Amino acid sequence: AQSVTQPDIHITVSEGASLELRCNYSYGATPYLFWYVQSPGQGLQLLLKYFSGDTLVQGIKGFEAEFKRSQSSFNLRKPSVHWSDAAEYFCAVAAGGFQKLVFGTGTRLLVSP
Amino acid sequence: KAGVTQTPRYLIKTRGQQVTLSCSPISGHRSVSWYQQTPGQGLQFLFEYFSETQRNKGNFPGRFSGRQFSNSRSEMNVSTLELGDSALYLCASNEGDTDTQYFGPGTRLTVL
Repeated sequence: AQSVTQPDIHITVSEGASLELRCNYSYGATPYLFWYVQSPGQGLQLLLKYFSGDTLVQGIKGFEAEFKRSQSSFNLRKPSVHWSDAAEYFCAVAAGGFQKLVFGTGTRLLVSP
Repeated sequence: KAGVTQTPRYLIKTRGQQVTLSCSPISGHRSVSWYQQTPGQGLQFLFEYFSETQRNKGNFPGRFSGRQFSNSRSEMNVSTLELGDSALYLCASNEGDTDTQYFGPGTRLTVL
């Protein structure tokens, strides 16, 4: 069965520093992979997605992610974090169709001044 | 385009009652997915509807049901509420052209 692991529950980054959030997936074929962000009390906002092709994908708000098949990873990166990036980030894989996503447990990002 | 609308945003019920949540997808989208989000279990897929038909179903008991209307609006119903049903229920509007889900703000259900 498809699964997603986000090993870091919390991460604290200084404002202006770089960020990398880890995501590992389990899926037999080429996966559809997504990163979403959720602010407190809000729904999920799509940051970026990977279906095929170029393994480095660009998203909104300056985020990017790199798909590495050999490591079953899809890590999210941002070169310089802003205080407004503090939120919870979810990695997800499509399970038999993009309409049904399997999510990781999320990583809460804290940004220190 | 207007986004995904979910009503109500907040709901308080007592054990044993039933509840109905509503979701209006983005105009033109014919598929809707529902998810439950809890601190303990995280985000879990409930079901997906396309053109008034349930196409996918997650691993939830039969107390959880849904339907979709001809205008693509969807409702989910939870009968005989339990304390563990307290959660944020998220609806996603599915865009077939881009294989992307767009989420609504959610309905926060509290069961007392």
